[in-house]
Amino acid sequence: DVKVTQSSRYLVKRTGEKVFLECVQDMDHENMFWYRQDPGLGLRLIYFSYDVKMKEKGDIPEGYSVSREKKERFSLILESASTNQTSMYLCASSLDGARGGDIQYFGAGTRLSVL
Amino acid sequence: GENVEQHPSTLSVQEGDSAVIKCTYSDSASNYFPWYKQELGKRPQLIIDIRSNVGEKKDQRIAVTLNKTAKHFSLHITETQPEDSAVYFCAASISILTGGGNKLTFGTGTQLKVEL
Repeated sequence: DVKVTQSSRYLVKRTGEKVFLECVQDMDHENMFWYRQDPGLGLRLIYFSYDVKMKEKGDIPEGYSVSREKKERFSLILESASTNQTSMYLCASSLDGARGGDIQYFGAGTRLSVL
Repeated sequence: GENVEQHPSTLSVQEGDSAVIKCTYSDSASNYFPWYKQELGKRPQLIIDIRSNVGEKKDQRIAVTLNKTAKHFSLHITETQPEDSAVYFCAASISILTGGGNKLTFGTGTQLKVEL
């Protein structure tokens, strides 16, 4: 059974803080993704990674960065948190396309509040 | 880039009735169309998907249809039950089977409520 684990379910941070959201998957998946979910806007892709140390911008990368030093771990970084980054953040992973990878498996989400 | 529109945003049906959710996409190169279900407080999970070489796919009470010419696809749920109440998301992507990963573009979601 695929397991995608996000380190925190709830986080409360202050404006200007540096915030790290961590995601770990245990299925040897090549691809990892970070989304934010807001009511009425669906899931919007922030960044994704096809391989270790590789990253590509998604649709809304402004204000975020990512790090993938190991295959199983993908971190989302808010360099200086702002109130408009209050949201639910979802991590997902999938196999490489050459291994039949289309299905994305999601973590339980981190609800971040920036005060 | 790809743009996916989803309608309706909310849908209320009586138990036992059918529910239909519709999505349109903009990129004719998209060839993979999954549907995810997200129950309250839980993670999104894939319920059914379809590829562009197929026009329809069924799995028990759930079916998905695809019209490539019109660039739209739909989710059909028959004999709805209270446990079908959830938010449903459609998505579209270009599936790259030679390597790399597919980037999904999601619709904005449909809140389905099945009333007793």
